[in-house]
Amino acid sequence: DIQMTQSPSTLSASVGDRVTITCRASQSISSWLAWYQQKPGKAPKLLIYKASNLESGVPSRFSGSGSGTEFTLTISSLQPADFATYYCQLYNSYPLTFGGGTKVEIK
Amino acid sequence: QVQLVESGGGVVQPGRSLRLTCAASGFTFSTYALHWVRQAPGKGLEWMAVISYDGSSKYYADSVKGRFTISRDNSKNTLYLQMNSLRFEDTAVYYCARDPSNSGDYYMDVWGKGTTVTVSS
Repeated sequence: DIQMTQSPSTLSASVGDRVTITCRASQSISSWLAWYQQKPGKAPKLLIYKASNLESGVPSRFSGSGSGTEFTLTISSLQPADFATYYCQLYNSYPLTFGGGTKVEIK
Repeated sequence: QVQLVESGGGVVQPGRSLRLTCAASGFTFSTYALHWVRQAPGKGLEWMAVISYDGSSKYYADSVKGRFTISRDNSKNTLYLQMNSLRFEDTAVYYCARDPSNSGDYYMDVWGKGTTVTVSS
């Protein structure tokens, strides 16, 4: 099975900061990666698919990049609504696997 | 609007069974694959199972293979998860989620709010 490793597990940042979260796959997954945002007590929300495609309705301050084994989710200017936990997910290969999550906290 | 609503969660003893239901509305149910994803208290997301648009293909995580069964009734716009031989470690919030493909090997673009399963003696 392909393993997905996210870093950092926790990130402290301030409103307006540029934030980058990394997801690494244990083997190449081409661009078959999605990113989700989850707030406490809520269901996850799709942000990015195929590594860099922004889901409809998602603010443009979110962007994704990478291919192969290393991927990044970037928030260009952190907003109060962005404090949440973020997960990457590989697809196109079973088992579909999520990364361990990155919690973005207020500094 | 596009909506998924899970139900059927509750408190159950180890070794017993439970069936979760996910009712869909606002989209053509029979053309999409569907997933179950769970989240244990304070933990991350864990993919459980997927079923293709017509029910012909199903895949499971190793942790539930042989104990859980995913199924769907396209005439009722409903997804199911039959959970047998429940264990303490199955305690989690269970989400159903839509896959934008019909095969089920993609991501999840629509999620329900989840239903809570607690396995306790």
